[in-house]
Amino acid sequence: QQQVKQSPQSLIVQKGGISIINCAYENTAFDYFPWYQQFPGKGPALLIAIRPDVSEKKEGRFTISFNKSAKQFSLHIMDSQPGDSATYFCAASRGGGGSYIPTFGRGTSLIVHP
Amino acid sequence: NAGVTQTPKFQVLKTGQSMTLQCAQDMNHEYMSWYRQDPGMGLRLIHYSVGAGITDQGEVPNGYNVSRSTTEDFPLRLLSAAPSQTSVYFCASLTTSARVAFFGQGTRLTVV
Repeated sequence: QQQVKQSPQSLIVQKGGISIINCAYENTAFDYFPWYQQFPGKGPALLIAIRPDVSEKKEGRFTISFNKSAKQFSLHIMDSQPGDSATYFCAASRGGGGSYIPTFGRGTSLIVHP
Repeated sequence: NAGVTQTPKFQVLKTGQSMTLQCAQDMNHEYMSWYRQDPGMGLRLIHYSVGAGITDQGEVPNGYNVSRSTTEDFPLRLLSAAPSQTSVYFCASLTTSARVAFFGQGTRLTVV
């Protein structure tokens, strides 16, 4: 059973456009929702994260929107740039024991055309 | 500050061979984990550790062993390599206070 479902699998956006990646989760005990960015040949790195007590978090051009009742969260990249071309993973985790280990979505390959 | 260091970066094995992927972290993180990344499958958890001497299985543990004798090191052993284990392997460490996972650069393993 896939605990975190991510869509789309791939996304092509023109420079200056908005990129939107969506994730849905099953386990209501999850209490931490990070997004990771991965460039080719590199390991994933934290981009931005949110906890369920807020509905939105913004850092520069990157915004997470969180809908607790729908069990969904999304990443919005405003004014997308070619340098944003990467694979993006959403993840979820909860506190306590091995649950701190994040469960990842399957990833979205984003290409931003100049 | 090196963070999470994985060796080797690339490896080719023949079916049936065994090997150990090394992972070391210098951030004194309690948690360490191993993932494999395959196209379209995302990052799947193989094994994880919540502290020295404590390990547990993840989503895809078959064919892999781990141990954690120190806080810093978390090696992943392939017992008898199979072509299905061709993948990119990532080690990560995490501290429960920050909840952020720090990843190594990965090991690209090909089993022929």
